Formats: sequence, C-alpha cells, structure tokens
Amino acid sequence: DVKVTQSSRYLVKRTGEKVFLECVQDMDHENMFWYRQDPGLGLRLIYFSYDVKMKEKGDIPEGYSVSREKKERFSLILESASTNQTSMYLCASSQQGADGYTFGSGTRLTVV
Amino acid sequence: GENVEQHPSTLSVQEGDSAVIKCTYSDSASNYFPWYKQELGKGPQLIIDIRSNVGEKKDQRIAVTLNKTAKHFSLHITETQPEDSAVYFCAASMDDKIIFGKGTRLHILP
Repeated sequence: DVKVTQSSRYLVKRTGEKVFLECVQDMDHENMFWYRQDPGLGLRLIYFSYDVKMKEKGDIPEGYSVSREKKERFSLILESASTNQTSMYLCASSQQGADGYTFGSGTRLTVV
Repeated sequence: GENVEQHPSTLSVQEGDSAVIKCTYSDSASNYFPWYKQELGKGPQLIIDIRSNVGEKKDQRIAVTLNKTAKHFSLHITETQPEDSAVYFCAASMDDKIIFGKGTRLHILP
C-alpha cells in the first residue's frame, strides 16, 4: 500500500526550539508539499519541492525552511518555534504534472 | 494567483438526504479540480476529480459538476450515510500546485 509517512503524530516543543518535521513517501513521486491546517483557514501551502535539492516558497513560508536531500524525503524546519506555529502540519506528494495529492496523516504540533 | 471559495463552511443533512457543496475559482487557466475528504485524525484523501474538458463525473453516490463559463464546480453526495461525516475540501489547479478551499464540515444527522 503506497503511502506518505509523517514521523510524528503529536509533538510538543518549547518556544525557541528548532523543530524538524519529517515526511517520507514510497511512491517515487517527483513533487512534495508541506501545508499547515488551521480551523477556518483551510490548507495553506508553506513550501514545496519539484525535485531533489529544489525548493519553492508557498503562501506562508515565513518562519519555516525545508530540506530535500533525497527524492523520498522532505523535511520541514521551524528555525525557532513560536506559539503561533501551533498547528496541524500535513505533508503531501504527487507525480509530476499528474493528478491529486497523496497526504500523510499529519503532525499536530503544539509550541508552549 | 488562483483563489478558491467554498460554501457552506458547515452543512448538516438528514441521513439518506443529499448534500451539495459549492466552490468557485478565479483563474480561468485552472484545468483540474479534485475533491478531498478528511476524516477525524487523518490526512485528506482524494475522493473524486474532474478535468476542464468534462462537465460532470460520477462515482457511485458522489458526483462532481463543472461550469467553466461561470467558474463554478460542485460536489453532490446522494443517499448520505453516517460515514460521509467529514470535512470536504475542493481545490483547483493548472500545474503541479493545488489551491484548496477552506473546507466544509458535513454532519450526517441520524
């Protein structure tokens, strides 16, 4: 069964910590995406990548960075976590130029 | 850039009745319109999609319609069942990037 795996379901971090959210896909997809999901705001795109070592800013990149050293892995980095980054984070992947995304189950991050 | 509006934000229907969720998009170049269902504690899952060269698509109890001229598309669920309770997202895309609506929370009442 093909899937997108996010390493943590729940995470609690302190303000100012550096946080890594990991995402791995086993479908050999070209494209990978990070979204955050907040009530009433839907899914907002943080960063995306169309290839290894390539990254593009989405709609809300401030406070985040990403890393894609291997095709199957896309990491989201919170350089210095803040309470307004408390959210559900969703990773997705898709084949190049093709159809809909496959999402992971999400990581619910709480910054205290 | 593309903007997708989705209505209503919350919808309650009696079990067995139909549910309709409507979306509009802003960029006439968009050519792919997927719908996602998100159950509690899970990521969104693709349930149906439609391309701009098609006006309607059906898969069992769910159907999607597209009006390119008006830039409207809709999701129709017939004979609703308790397992249809979820959050539904519409989306639009013209390339590899998909823009999502804000979601509709669908409640199926017993």
